[in-house]
Amino acid sequence: QQQVKQSPQSLIVQKGGISIINCAYENTAFDYFPWYQQFPGKGPALLIAIRPDVSEKKEGRFTISFNKSAKQFSLHIMDSQPGDSATYFCAASPYSGAGSYQLTFGKGTKLSVIP
Amino acid sequence: NAGVTQTPKFQVLKTGQSMTLQCAQDMNHEYMSWYRQDPGMGLRLIHYSVGAGITDQGEVPNGYNVSRSTTEDFPLRLLSAAPSQTSVYFCASSYSMANYGYTFGSGTRLTVV
Repeated sequence: QQQVKQSPQSLIVQKGGISIINCAYENTAFDYFPWYQQFPGKGPALLIAIRPDVSEKKEGRFTISFNKSAKQFSLHIMDSQPGDSATYFCAASPYSGAGSYQLTFGKGTKLSVIP
Repeated sequence: NAGVTQTPKFQVLKTGQSMTLQCAQDMNHEYMSWYRQDPGMGLRLIHYSVGAGITDQGEVPNGYNVSRSTTEDFPLRLLSAAPSQTSVYFCASSYSMANYGYTFGSGTRLTVV
């Protein structure tokens, strides 16, 4: 049973455009939603994270939007650059307690930003 | 440099062989985990530990053993390698999951033939 569904699988965006990646979750115990960025041959790295007490969080060109009632959250990359080309993973877990140590990841989105 | 160190980077095993993937961190992190990454499958949790002497199973624990005798080290043992265990394995550690997330190692690419 896939608990975090991520789409699209791959995404091609022109330089300067907006990249949008969507995730949906099923487990209502999830209340911590991070995004990880992975470059080829490297391990994933934390990009940005959000909790349900806010509907949006912005860090530079990266924004997470969160819809608690729909159990959906998304990553927006504004002014996308070739250096943003990577695989992006959404994830979810409870914020505290034993379950907080067990991040559930989406299947990933391979983003290619073309000049 | 501080971080999570995984060895080896690449390994080829024959079916039935056993081996240990090493993971060490020098950040004094209590939380450590092992994930496997397969094409189109994302990252799936194998085992995790919340401190020395404490381990627990994740989503896909079968065929793997772990132990945590020190805060720094969290080795992953394959008991009898199978082709289905061909994957890229990542070790990760964290001081505070919610505030800092995981720091991942650079991975071990394992092929079982």
